[in-house]
Amino acid sequence: GENVEQHPSTLSVQEGDSAVIKCTYSDSASNYFPWYKQELGKGPQLIIDIRSNVGEKKDQRIAVTLNKTAKHFSLHITETQPEDSAVYFCAAGGSQGNLIFGKGTKLSVKP
Amino acid sequence: EAQVTQNPRYLITVTGKKLTVTCSQNMNHEYMSWYRQDPGLGLRQIYYSMNVEVTDKGDVPEGYKVSRKEKRNFPLILESPSPNQTSLYFCASSFMGLGSPLHFGNGTRLTVT
Repeated sequence: GENVEQHPSTLSVQEGDSAVIKCTYSDSASNYFPWYKQELGKGPQLIIDIRSNVGEKKDQRIAVTLNKTAKHFSLHITETQPEDSAVYFCAAGGSQGNLIFGKGTKLSVKP
Repeated sequence: EAQVTQNPRYLITVTGKKLTVTCSQNMNHEYMSWYRQDPGLGLRQIYYSMNVEVTDKGDVPEGYKVSRKEKRNFPLILESPSPNQTSLYFCASSFMGLGSPLHFGNGTRLTVT
């Protein structure tokens, strides 16, 4: 079935460093790739998304890249801050009309 | 304020006792969905609805029921809960489904003993 793999499962960085989270997907028909941030005790919140006709998208310190040929996409966070600490989920829009989520990455930013 | 509201936030129940988790959105969204979140498994879709009176199974529908009688409400029903349904549940909505951002509620933590 459709699958999204996300790595790493945990990531610890020093404040100010960059963080990169990578995802691969199996359904070549996927064309929508959002990223969600989940803080403790809250629901996931969309932070950035990209569609298959775009290779890269930036929003301030956050960027997402997409390689459709290789079927992988990545989240890049630059100049990390303690408030970036959270669980991040990638997802891919499946051919069945639903979103398939990765298993999540727990990011810790140390002051 | 635009939001997805789930109730209750916490629920402890016993095996076999029927329960309903309510979900309501005030954004006039067409699409609504239920997910469960378990450690190491991420978010898995239970059921979704593209519009009123239209519901479809997600990846893990066994043991759950839903209904969509009104656009704003999408309750999740557990007719006979079992311990393996102990989980954190999220309701979400979006303007038109795939390709539009999902808005999540703050979750319902269910414990079935």
